[in-house]
Amino acid sequence: DAEITQSPRHKITETGRQVTLACHQTWNHNNMFWYRQDLGHGLRLIHYSYGVQDTNKGEVSDGYSVSRSNTEDLPLTLESAASSQTSVYFCASSESGTSGGETFFGPGTRLTVL
Amino acid sequence: GNSVTQMEGPVTLSEEAFLTINCTYTATGYPSLFWYVQYPGEGLQLLLKATKADDKGSNKGFEATYRKETTSFHLEKGSVQVSDSAVYFCALSDNTNAGKSTFGDGTTLTVKP
Repeated sequence: DAEITQSPRHKITETGRQVTLACHQTWNHNNMFWYRQDLGHGLRLIHYSYGVQDTNKGEVSDGYSVSRSNTEDLPLTLESAASSQTSVYFCASSESGTSGGETFFGPGTRLTVL
Repeated sequence: GNSVTQMEGPVTLSEEAFLTINCTYTATGYPSLFWYVQYPGEGLQLLLKATKADDKGSNKGFEATYRKETTSFHLEKGSVQVSDSAVYFCALSDNTNAGKSTFGDGTTLTVKP
């Protein structure tokens, strides 16, 4: 079965360190997204990509970057981790060119920045 | 731009009670509407969807009807179970955003035995 996997599932890091969260999907979707989920804020879009070599900023992109070198992967990098980036991060994907297409989510990565 | 407004939670019900979670939206064009469910420690998964006006989506006893005249997509279930305890997200997707969905803030439902 097709799926989205994220690694690691849990990560503890220190302020100022660079952290990369991995996302891999086997749906062969062109669209991929990174969200963060915090109490009281719902889901907030960080970055998204509509295909290889394409990346776009979401509503909370400061301090984050992504790259898309193939269809399957969209790693999220925190350049210099801050305590405000402690959150649960979800990777997601969807099919392009269709209305009515659902979004598929990974299981999430819980990141703690000390 | 697009937006989704959900009724604020948390919602606490007794088992077998009737559930309604309100959702209204603002969008250009004719979006598709979704309800996603998130169980503790997991990602979101699709619960049901409707792609055009007056469509009713249904799954696992949950229903929601796409009401274009009131721009609403309220989630209902006639008799909730403890296992329905989760966070519920209303969302929309339209062609102009090429598969990028807009999500509500989520409503936490707790069902007590």
